[in-house]
Amino acid sequence: GAVVSQHPSRVICKSGTSVKIECRSLDFQATTMFWYRQFPKQSLMLMATSNEGSKATYEQGVEKDKFLINHASLTLSTLTVTSAHPEDSSFYICSARNVRQPRDTQYFGPGTRLTVL
Amino acid sequence: AQKVTQAQTEISVVEKEDVTLDCVYETRDTTYYLFWYKQPPSGELVFLIRRNSLDEQNEISGRYSWNFQKSTSSFNFTITASQVVDSAVYFCALSENTGNQFYFGTGTSLTVIP
Repeated sequence: GAVVSQHPSRVICKSGTSVKIECRSLDFQATTMFWYRQFPKQSLMLMATSNEGSKATYEQGVEKDKFLINHASLTLSTLTVTSAHPEDSSFYICSARNVRQPRDTQYFGPGTRLTVL
Repeated sequence: AQKVTQAQTEISVVEKEDVTLDCVYETRDTTYYLFWYKQPPSGELVFLIRRNSLDEQNEISGRYSWNFQKSTSSFNFTITASQVVDSAVYFCALSENTGNQFYFGTGTSLTVIP
């Protein structure tokens, strides 16, 4: 099956630093990637939709200047948490849609656990 | 409004018992897709099933079965003869024909006690 990777899988950083998380579709092209955030014992909440070659679409309440998304190629989207603070500590999951498959098909990455001290 | 509701927050069962996880959804689309995912402690989402709204047949896969009832907007998931390895958080999700995103329920944490 299709594989989506995320790097790093786990990151610990100091408050005020920026952290970049990569999401890669390994064996398919993804014009659209999605970024989710999951707080402990809560559901996945969509943060933004990342479209290759265009600006990301952010969900209401998500600060676009805080969470920078770049989808520069058909296989890579990055999420940068700028000036991270402890409240940004969360599990971040990306998913990717295969251009050759129905639009409802999304493949999820393994997630990145961010801890901001 | 919550599009996907999983009313059961936590469930505990003894090994070998059957357990049903409830999922109720809300959509105005006539064509949509429903999903179940398993999330073990590692965090990675494990895909279990994808169901097209036009297909109302129930499905069985080993110890897993799914009951899709369009009339009640429910897509329940049953694990037969539960095992300790089934312990995880299970999410139900909806993908509508319009729009891009998945709508996830709040999840049901299942603990299977040996």
